[in-house]
Amino acid sequence: DAGVIQSPRHEVTEMGQEVTLRCKPISGHDYLFWYRQTMMRGLELLIYFNNNVPIDDSGMPEDRFSAKMPNASFSTLKIQPSEPRDSAVYFCASSLGNPGTGVLGAFNEQFFGPGTRLTVL
Amino acid sequence: TQLLEQSPQFLSIQEGENLTVYCNSSSVFSSLQWYRQEPGEGPVLLVTVVTGGEVKKLKRLTFQFGDARKDSSLHITAAQPGDTGLYLCAGGRFQGAQKLVFGQGTRLTINP
Repeated sequence: DAGVIQSPRHEVTEMGQEVTLRCKPISGHDYLFWYRQTMMRGLELLIYFNNNVPIDDSGMPEDRFSAKMPNASFSTLKIQPSEPRDSAVYFCASSLGNPGTGVLGAFNEQFFGPGTRLTVL
Repeated sequence: TQLLEQSPQFLSIQEGENLTVYCNSSSVFSSLQWYRQEPGEGPVLLVTVVTGGEVKKLKRLTFQFGDARKDSSLHITAAQPGDTGLYLCAGGRFQGAQKLVFGQGTRLTINP
C-alpha cells in the first residue's frame, strides 16, 4: 500500500508568493494532521482534521496560513503571502481513529509523509 | 511552552555503547509514543506505552513509561550505526482527541 503522499518534495519561492502544499492520506484513515518542523521549534502541530472537518487549528501561526480537506483523499496547506520565516519542512500525517485495539488511553499511530521542504527567499 | 522536554538534545557515542534518552513533563499523559526520524523522511513510530510503569522492549531498545505517566525513557543497548537518527517522544493528553505533543527530539549519532 502507498503511504502518505506529499507534493512537492521541495519548494523554493520568493517572499510574498503564494505556496500550496498537497497531501494524500492513507486510504481509509479518518484523521489528517499538518505539522511544521524547524531546528528551533521542533515538530509543531498546525491543524488536524477528522472525517474532513477541521478539529483544532490552534497551531496555525496566523491568517496567512489556511488548510482545507475537500474530500477524504486530499488536503492542502496554503501560505499567502509567504515570508522567509515560513521556511521549514512541512509534514502531513494520517491515522485511523478507531482501529479497535481496545487499548484504553492509547493514541493511534500516525503515519507521516516524506515532507515538503519549503524555502522562502 | 514545550510540554515535553527531551534530554540530551544531541548525543554522539561509539558503536557498542549503551545510552538512555529521557522525555520529561510536568503534565500527565494518557499515552506516550516514541518515533524515529531519518534524514529526508518523516517520523516512524517505534512504540506506544499506555500504563504507568509499563516497560516495552523492541530488540535492543527498551522503553519505559513513568509510574505517574509524566515521563518516559528510551534505553539502547549495544548501539549500532543503524540506530543513528532523530528520536522524538510524543504525548497524548486527551483520549479520543488524537492530538499529540512532540518533544524537541534527541539527535543520536553512533560512530563505527
